[in-house]
Amino acid sequence: EVQLVESGGGLVQPGRSLKLSCVASGFTFSNYGMNWIRQAPGKGLEWVAYISSGSSYIYYAETVKGRFTISRDNAKNTLYLQMTSLRSEDTALYYCARYEYSSSTMDAWGQGASVTVSS
Amino acid sequence: DIQMTQSPASLSASLGETVTIQCQASEDIYSGLAWYQQKPGKSPQLLIYGASSLQDGVPSRFSGSGSGTQYSLKISSMQTEDEGVYFCQQGLKYPFTFGSGTKLEIK
Repeated sequence: EVQLVESGGGLVQPGRSLKLSCVASGFTFSNYGMNWIRQAPGKGLEWVAYISSGSSYIYYAETVKGRFTISRDNAKNTLYLQMTSLRSEDTALYYCARYEYSSSTMDAWGQGASVTVSS
Repeated sequence: DIQMTQSPASLSASLGETVTIQCQASEDIYSGLAWYQQKPGKSPQLLIYGASSLQDGVPSRFSGSGSGTQYSLKISSMQTEDEGVYFCQQGLKYPFTFGSGTKLEIK
């Protein structure tokens, strides 16, 4: 069974940093691209970042470019999102999602990690 | 960026009723369109990919259609378990973008 489990969320002050992790199981992690997608409370879905299977290709949303860094460790089956210079508008539930190349979709999602940016 | 305009924002349907949700892209996305269902307190689940292909395990009452810039999701016979929020998403190019969502409730 495909599983994605996020961790590392919490309450953080504006301007501070936080690092999210997503541990994958049930599939060959190194064969898949991965995404981070967030959802502000009561709002829709916003794509945040993408990393290809071998980390060769990385893309960011303009809203986080220069502040967030996506990375992965295929030996540990783990995806990361390093978030710096956090703002109140970064408050959201952060999902990691597996990217299926053939259909260009996110075909498996984690349960989400909650990030609250507030003083 | 490709903008995705989804309608309606909310919808109430009776059991057994046919429901249709629309999604319009700001440019041709060549059928690179997916639909997701999100139930309260849960993560989104993929329903349809490639505009019209049904994801494994998804009931056959769900179907997708469209091309170019216009796409739709149809539920042929509304069931109680179909309540939730539905999002479209373009997968043609980054940044991936989502529609604003359609909240579907039982009438």
